[in-house]
Amino acid sequence: DVQLEESGGGLVRPGGSLRLSCAASGFTVTSVYMTWVRQSPGKGLECVSVIFPGGITSYSDSVKGRFTISRDTARNTLFLQMTALRADDTAVYHCARATVSYEGLDVWGPGTTVSVSS
Amino acid sequence: AIQMTQSPSSLSAYIGDTITITCRASQGIRNDLGWYQHKPGKAPKLLIFGASALQSGVPSRFSGSGSGTHFTLTITSLQPDDFATYYCLQDYSDPWTFGQGTKVDLK
Repeated sequence: DVQLEESGGGLVRPGGSLRLSCAASGFTVTSVYMTWVRQSPGKGLECVSVIFPGGITSYSDSVKGRFTISRDTARNTLFLQMTALRADDTAVYHCARATVSYEGLDVWGPGTTVSVSS
Repeated sequence: AIQMTQSPSSLSAYIGDTITITCRASQGIRNDLGWYQHKPGKAPKLLIFGASALQSGVPSRFSGSGSGTHFTLTITSLQPDDFATYYCLQDYSDPWTFGQGTKVDLK
């Protein structure tokens, strides 16, 4: 069964760091597109970061320089290292995948909540 | 970054209605666009990819069209399960960007 499960969310102070994980099953994270998408309270969806099958990465302007996306082949897991966190990073973070033929983000995790507050 | 302008931001409709949501890109994106349905507390769900291809398992009352800068999502014979927020997403150019969303509720 193809599944994604996020973990690592929590409450963190402004300026702090957090690492989100996304465990994949039923496919290999290094062979597909993997993304992190977030929804802040009262706002729409934002694609925060993408890692392409070849390893190239991309970031939204709002997180560039602060967040790093990576993946671990052995653990078949996607990560999002978040630093210099701000209140406006508060959101539910979902990981999602698209196959190498890119036919949309077809598998999503249920999400993990990040709250940035003093 | 490519801006995706979605309209309307919200609409009210009756069960059985046909509705259309529009997404405009700030520059041409070929047909590199998907449509997603999102309900509170749930993960978004892929409806359409490649602007017009129906994702497996999605009812045929959902359809997408367009290319370049103008795209539409049409839902015919609206069902109770369709009341949700809908987003377009362009994956033509980094960073990938969503439209602002269209909330569809029951009139």
